[in-house]
Amino acid sequence: QSALTQPASVSGSPGQSITISCTGTSSDIGSYDIVSWHQQYPGKAPKLIIYDVHRRPSGISNRFSGSRSGNTASLTISGLQAEDEATYYCCAFGGSSTLVMFGGGTKLTVL
Amino acid sequence: QVQLQESGPGLVKPSETLSLTCAVSGGSINNYYWNWIRQSAGKGLEYIGRIYASGSTNYNPSLKSRATMSVDPSKKQFSLNLSSVTAADTAVYYCARSCGSTSCYTQFDTWGQGTLVTVSS
Repeated sequence: QSALTQPASVSGSPGQSITISCTGTSSDIGSYDIVSWHQQYPGKAPKLIIYDVHRRPSGISNRFSGSRSGNTASLTISGLQAEDEATYYCCAFGGSSTLVMFGGGTKLTVL
Repeated sequence: QVQLQESGPGLVKPSETLSLTCAVSGGSINNYYWNWIRQSAGKGLEYIGRIYASGSTNYNPSLKSRATMSVDPSKKQFSLNLSSVTAADTAVYYCARSCGSTSCYTQFDTWGQGTLVTVSS
């Protein structure tokens, strides 16, 4: 059981927008601006797509955006494309007693 | 463009020590944190810890002091030792880079391809 809670799966049609939630506690997501999102294709290493809640690394499409409300972080993908079909993991800092934790991952299916 | 490559035995016996090395190429090992993360079918992604080029470390408390990391800046590589392994330590092990600020805990901007380690007799 992961420390951060994500839905197991989400789906959407090309062109639509989807949002993936990542729920933590007031000790992690609710306390620090240290939340990242990673995209992973089967058999490949994860890839950073969002860091510090809402910042995008160079080269990442602006179709990907991040936000936070209370103890829940969210990843929104707009204008869904077939290539977005992957598993998405959230990651957050939980303080010195916990350090870094991951969500269980959300498999995105593009219909 | 920096690249990371993990290496080490793919099979480790229970109770022994798992040892992995990550080689850094195409960039400096200085001014960054170097992390180990593993992924198993049962537990998803799990953070193991990180080391700075100076040797400063932070470990996941849940590993109960079984993890030890070291760095060799001259060889541009860093290593992980995980002692007293059990079948639960079977996973794909990734090395990853994060920025040099002490608050850069989850900004893993470069990952290795991963290496599968199986714990079995």
